[in-house]
Amino acid sequence: DSGVTQTPKHLITATGQRVTLRCSPRSGDLSVYWYQQSLDQGLQFLIQYYNGEERAKGNILERFSAQQFPDLHSELNLSSLELGDSALYFCASSGGGGQDRGYYGYTFGSGTRLTVV
Amino acid sequence: GDSVTQMEGPVTLSEEAFLTINCTYTATGYPSLFWYVQYPGEGLQLLLKATKADDKGSNKGFEATYRKETTSFHLEKGSVQVSDSAVYFCALSRYSSASKIIFGSGTRLSIRP
Repeated sequence: DSGVTQTPKHLITATGQRVTLRCSPRSGDLSVYWYQQSLDQGLQFLIQYYNGEERAKGNILERFSAQQFPDLHSELNLSSLELGDSALYFCASSGGGGQDRGYYGYTFGSGTRLTVV
Repeated sequence: GDSVTQMEGPVTLSEEAFLTINCTYTATGYPSLFWYVQYPGEGLQLLLKATKADDKGSNKGFEATYRKETTSFHLEKGSVQVSDSAVYFCALSRYSSASKIIFGSGTRLSIRP
């Protein structure tokens, strides 16, 4: 157990629907990062939050949004889902002991596998 | 922009063979360099890292040396085991307030008994 908890582990939904993926960071970590892993595009950085505020944005579609709550858990919302959104979505955290940046490495959750049918 | 290039897989070796997975990077300054491993059905785990030139990261028999002059961070292991079968990702991150980790495309390693 890495200490980063992602739910649900698996999600199957239809095109056009909306889903919410949840992530609880490791205790003491303030930063949360979201990545999408698909077969043809590898690991793509989506977005980073630090202590409730958006800090960096990557290749995140307008149909996707995220937020980090006061208790530091984060949610990734995916809407108007398309077949191509099927992927593994990973959350990672960092920031314990002031090491709140990717430079020191992340701890990953086990991911949510999203299948859009 | 920053990027990581690693050798394409899949790589198939026999047990106890020597392993090298090549990785080169492009980045300004002095990024941290990482190797992450992903076992089937799991998330990524940090295998080893190095934060400055000539540093050697090591863990579980794996090693990689930060070579600034060749912008490389090749992963090596002297004798692989079946349990090393996984996908290996080379990655980098620069020191900034919004420093994300940039990953290579991953190399799938399969070890035959």
